[in-house]
Amino acid sequence: TQLLEQSPQFLSIQEGENLTVYCNSSSVFSSLQWYRQEPGEGPVLLVTVVTGGEVKKLKRLTFQFGDARKDSSLHITAAQTGDTGLYLCAGDQTGANNLFFGTGTRLTVIP
Amino acid sequence: DAGVTQSPTHLIKTRGQHVTLRCSPISGHKSVSWYQQVLGQGPQFIFQYYEKEERGRGNFPDRFSARQFPNYSSELNVNALLLGDSALYLCASSLVAVGYGYTFGSGTRLTVV
Repeated sequence: TQLLEQSPQFLSIQEGENLTVYCNSSSVFSSLQWYRQEPGEGPVLLVTVVTGGEVKKLKRLTFQFGDARKDSSLHITAAQTGDTGLYLCAGDQTGANNLFFGTGTRLTVIP
Repeated sequence: DAGVTQSPTHLIKTRGQHVTLRCSPISGHKSVSWYQQVLGQGPQFIFQYYEKEERGRGNFPDRFSARQFPNYSSELNVNALLLGDSALYLCASSLVAVGYGYTFGSGTRLTVV
C-alpha cells in the first residue's frame, strides 16, 4: 500500500509547455522530498520542503508543500527534453527512519 | 568524492537461490538504507542500519536480511529467491538515522528466472 499517490502516472508534453505533478496523501509528513530518476540510475534529490505552505523554486521548477503537510506539487515551466524522467515524491514521518515513496510520474518531453 | 557505490550492477539468479548485494556509503555517512523498486513503482523501504544496528524494517518477509559492517558498508541478503523478488535494489546513505538527506546509489538490477 502506497501512502503517497501521484498524478498523473504518465505525462507526455511538447518542449516549451508547462506541467504540474501532484502528490497526495491522507497522512501528515514531517517533510516532503522530490526526486528525479533516470533509467538505470538511483533517484536524485531535487528539493526538500519542511514547512506547511512552503514554496521553493529551483530555476524552472516550483515545489509547494500543502498547508496541512499532506500533499505537494511540482510545477515545471517551459519544459525541456532534459526534464524527461521519473519524478518521485517521498515523505518522512516523525518517528520513522525511512521514506515513503509515491507511485511516480513518468514525464516525457518531446522536442 | 565517491558517491554511494553498489555491486554488482546486474545479477541473474534462479528461483530458490540466495543472493548478496553490497553497498558502500558516502565517506562519513553512518546510516545505510535499502529499498526495493519493482518496475513501474516507487521504491519500498526494506531496512535501515545506523552504527551497525538495525533502526528500521519494512514489510518484507524474513527471507530478507541485512547487516552493516564497522566501515559502515552494508550487505543485503535474500534467501529462497522468488520470481517476485526481481527488482532494482537501491542503497541510500545519510549522515544520521533519519528519513531524509539521502543519497542513493545506482542500484543493483536483480532478475530471478
